[in-house]
Amino acid sequence: EAGVAQSPRYKIIEKRQSVAFWCNPISGHATLYWYQQILGQGPKLLIQFQNNGVVDDSQLPKDRFSAERLKGVDSTLKIQPAKLEDSAVYLCASSPRTNNEQFFGPGTRLTVL
Amino acid sequence: AQKVTQAQTEISVVEKEDVTLDCVYETRDTTYYLFWYKQPPSGELVFLIRRNSFDEQNEISGRYSWNFQKSTSSFNFTITASQVVDSAVYFCALSEARDTGGFKTIFGAGTRLFVKA
Repeated sequence: EAGVAQSPRYKIIEKRQSVAFWCNPISGHATLYWYQQILGQGPKLLIQFQNNGVVDDSQLPKDRFSAERLKGVDSTLKIQPAKLEDSAVYLCASSPRTNNEQFFGPGTRLTVL
Repeated sequence: AQKVTQAQTEISVVEKEDVTLDCVYETRDTTYYLFWYKQPPSGELVFLIRRNSFDEQNEISGRYSWNFQKSTSSFNFTITASQVVDSAVYFCALSEARDTGGFKTIFGAGTRLFVKA
């Protein structure tokens, strides 16, 4: 069974530029999560989808971050414009249901200069 | 309110020592789930165990064991006879029901384990 795929693995941008991350969850997993992990901290939930609907985006900085999950499968997370403090690893995870264990992708390491 | 505390920031042991990673949680709910994940240097979080709040039986899986105590709101993780490959950051997580349905998961800050040869 294929795992959670993410791309790109690394991205370096200047502040005020835009960036997008892509995630393909495990087939059949209804729940998809985007997390931000700052160095030395635990993952912080940015947004959670159930199929193609948003369940929780309370910690998503909506003035600059946006995410979508079209057709309840793949998802993209966008930052526009990026700030220095957005430097982090962005993790995508999926699970069959919200109380199940989550399966994580390899993450995208973003550096904002 | 949901909260997960991993008070140990870093632990360093010598190979073959036993080591326990502590996790203390806070929740208002009677139904919740607890998890441990491992994040090796490669960066990808790997699921280790899931426990529901009604099952306080301790669990052993090879060199790994977990001690769940509702009375102290703790879910500790012990590695017996540690190996260099156990070096990683370990996260404890708590899933609690949302008012709007489904569950919300929060992660602790993690404990970095160094196992020296």
